[in-house]
Amino acid sequence: QVQLVQSGAEVKKPGASVKVTCKASGYTFTAYYIHWLRQAPGQGLEWMGWINPNSGDINYLQKFQGRVTMTRDTSISSAYLELSRLKSDDTAVYYCARDPGRTGPGNQFDYWGQGTLVTVS
Amino acid sequence: SYELTQPSSVSVSPGQTASIICSGDKLGQKYVCWYQQKPGQSPILIMYQDNKRPSGIPERFSGSNSGNTATLTISGTQAMDEADYYCQAWDSSYVVFGGGTQLTVL
Repeated sequence: QVQLVQSGAEVKKPGASVKVTCKASGYTFTAYYIHWLRQAPGQGLEWMGWINPNSGDINYLQKFQGRVTMTRDTSISSAYLELSRLKSDDTAVYYCARDPGRTGPGNQFDYWGQGTLVTVS
Repeated sequence: SYELTQPSSVSVSPGQTASIICSGDKLGQKYVCWYQQKPGQSPILIMYQDNKRPSGIPERFSGSNSGNTATLTISGTQAMDEADYYCQAWDSSYVVFGGGTQLTVL
């Protein structure tokens, strides 16, 4: 069965960086785009961008340009989100999610990771 | 930037029909999907491409999208349907979410 398993909670100081891991299993990792999203406490969902695990191509929401890096390691079916120059309002649960589109992004998110709480304080 | 607007809360009595709307400019020209999120859990996809239900989603969930409004309808609402619901669409190359609707079953 498809699973996205994320790394554990993190506590960071303002100005630091955080790297969140999303390990995929149960499907061909390189066949489907991975998106990263976040949810601040008590708030709604915010999309951050996607990575094509096959090519490494990325697309980031402009808001995060210059601070976010999405990478992947196909040998271990894992995607990574790194966010730098953290601020208190980056405190959120970060999710990875799979896009089931075979030909590219632009679809729904059919599987989600369990979320990783990043606290900036 | 493109915006999707949802009511912050909707209440429904058990067994009745709940309708959650999502509004956006010419939204009917885009595909809309819906997610259900319960406290402390990850979102779950419950509707995609306006009106398609993923495997395992009960038939009481249905969707429509026309004009500027997409609607998620829950027929015969059950207590277990109490959750936050988010609509989502794509605008050019970017994903947009509605602000979420808290559904209360009382």
